[in-house]
Amino acid sequence: KAGVTQTPRYLIKTRGQQVTLSCSPISGHRSVSWYQQTPGQGLQFLFEYFSETQRNKGNFPGRFSGRQFSNSRSEMNVSTLELGDSALYLCASSPGLGITDTQYFGPGTRLTVL
Amino acid sequence: EDKVVQSPLSLVVHEGDTVTLNCSYEVTNFRSLLWYKQEKKAPTFLFMLTSSGIEKKSGRLSSILDKKELSSILNITATQTGDSAIYLCAVEVGGGTASKLTFGTGTRLQVTL
Repeated sequence: KAGVTQTPRYLIKTRGQQVTLSCSPISGHRSVSWYQQTPGQGLQFLFEYFSETQRNKGNFPGRFSGRQFSNSRSEMNVSTLELGDSALYLCASSPGLGITDTQYFGPGTRLTVL
Repeated sequence: EDKVVQSPLSLVVHEGDTVTLNCSYEVTNFRSLLWYKQEKKAPTFLFMLTSSGIEKKSGRLSSILDKKELSSILNITATQTGDSAIYLCAVEVGGGTASKLTFGTGTRLQVTL
C-alpha cells in the first residue's frame, strides 16, 4: 500500500501571500489530521477531518483552514502568510475515527515564508 | 492551558546502553498518551497508553503510564544506532469532536558506537 503523500515537498512564499498544501491519505483511510512543526513550538495539532467534516481543531487563527474531499484527500490553506508560518507541515491519516487511532504520517511540506 | 513536558531535551548514549525518556503533563480531561519516533521527517507511532492500558511493550521498547504522577516513561534497552531519533510524547484531551493532541517538544536521542 502506498503511504501518505504530501505535495509540494518544499515551498517558498512571501509575506501576505496564501498557500495551499495537499495531502493524500493511505487508501481506505478516512481520517486526515494536519500538524505544524517548528523548532520553537514543536509539533502542534491544526485540525482533523473525517468524511469531509472537520471534527477537531487546534488553537490556530482563522487564517489556517482546511477541507477534505470525497476521496479523503485533504487540503490545507494558509492565507495572509506571516514569517512565523515558516514550518514543516505534516499530515497524518488513520483508518478510523479519532486522532489517536494509529496515525501514519506523510513526509511533510517544508514552507518557508520570506 | 494544556502542557506536555519532555525530559531530557537531548541525550547521547553508547550502543547497548538502556535509556529512559520522560514525559509529564498538565492537562484537562486526559484521555490517552502517545509516543512517536521521528527520524528525518515523518513521526511513526510507537505506543498509546490509556487508563485501561497503562503498560505497553514492543521488542526493546516499553512504556508505562503513571496516572497518579501524571507522567509516562519510554524505555529503550540495548540501544542501537538505529534508535537515534527524536522521541515525541503527545497527550490526547477531550473526546469525540472535542478531542485534540498536545505534543511535547521531544527528546533527541543519539546512539553512538
